[in-house]
Amino acid sequence: LAKTTQPISMDSYEGQEVNITCSHNNIATNDYITWYQQFPSQGPRFIIQGYKTKVTNEVASLFIPADRKSSTLSLPRVSLSDTAVYYCLVGTPEGGKLIFGQGTELSVKP
Amino acid sequence: EAGVTQSPTHLIKTRGQQATLRCSPISGHTSVYWYQQALGLGLQFLLWYDEGEERNRGNFPPRFSGRQFPNYSSELNVNALELEDSALYLCASSFLAGGSDTQYFGPGTRLTVL
Repeated sequence: LAKTTQPISMDSYEGQEVNITCSHNNIATNDYITWYQQFPSQGPRFIIQGYKTKVTNEVASLFIPADRKSSTLSLPRVSLSDTAVYYCLVGTPEGGKLIFGQGTELSVKP
Repeated sequence: EAGVTQSPTHLIKTRGQQATLRCSPISGHTSVYWYQQALGLGLQFLLWYDEGEERNRGNFPPRFSGRQFPNYSSELNVNALELEDSALYLCASSFLAGGSDTQYFGPGTRLTVL
C-alpha cells in the first residue's frame, strides 16, 4: 500500500521556480502519480499526471526517477495566485486504494 | 462543459442522524469517486463507483455507503452520524475507470455534525 509523504509547507517569491517532492516508497507497478492544486473551500484541481520519466504541460512539469519512489512537481515562475495546497495522488482504484499525500501548503510572496 | 456538481453545499446534522450527499459527474464520465477531507487529515478515499457498481472502498466503516444511478450520478449516505464525520466531502468523476484517468473534482459538501 503506497504511503505518500510531502513537505507540510514551502515558501517562495514571485518569479521563482518551485519544486515540491512527494515520496511514495511502496508505489505499485500499475500506480500513476497525479498532482492537484487546492484553494480554500474548493475541490482539488488537476495539474499534471505521469507514470515515469518526465511530463510537461502548459502549467507544470513532473519528474519521476527510474525507481518511481518519488516524484517532483515543478512550477516555473510562480505568481501570487499559485498560493495553494498541492497534493500528490498515487494509486489506482483497481489497486484498492487511492492515496493522497498530506498536502504541501505553498505560500508565494511578492 | 459543466463540471462536477455537488449538493447541498452545506449540511448540518446532529449526532445519530443520517446524511445524504449528491454528486453529478461531468457528462460522459462513468466513474465517480468520493473522498472525505477532514480538518488536519487530508483527503481520504472513501468509495469508487463505475457503471453503477461499487468497485472499491477505503478504510471506512459500513455506515458510509452509497450508490450510482443509471445516469451515473451518485449519492453518499452516512448513517448514525458521529462528531468526527464533520468534514468536506468531495466527489470526483473520470471518463475511464482506472488510475491513469484524470479525476475532476466538485466543490464539495461541507457536513457539520453537532
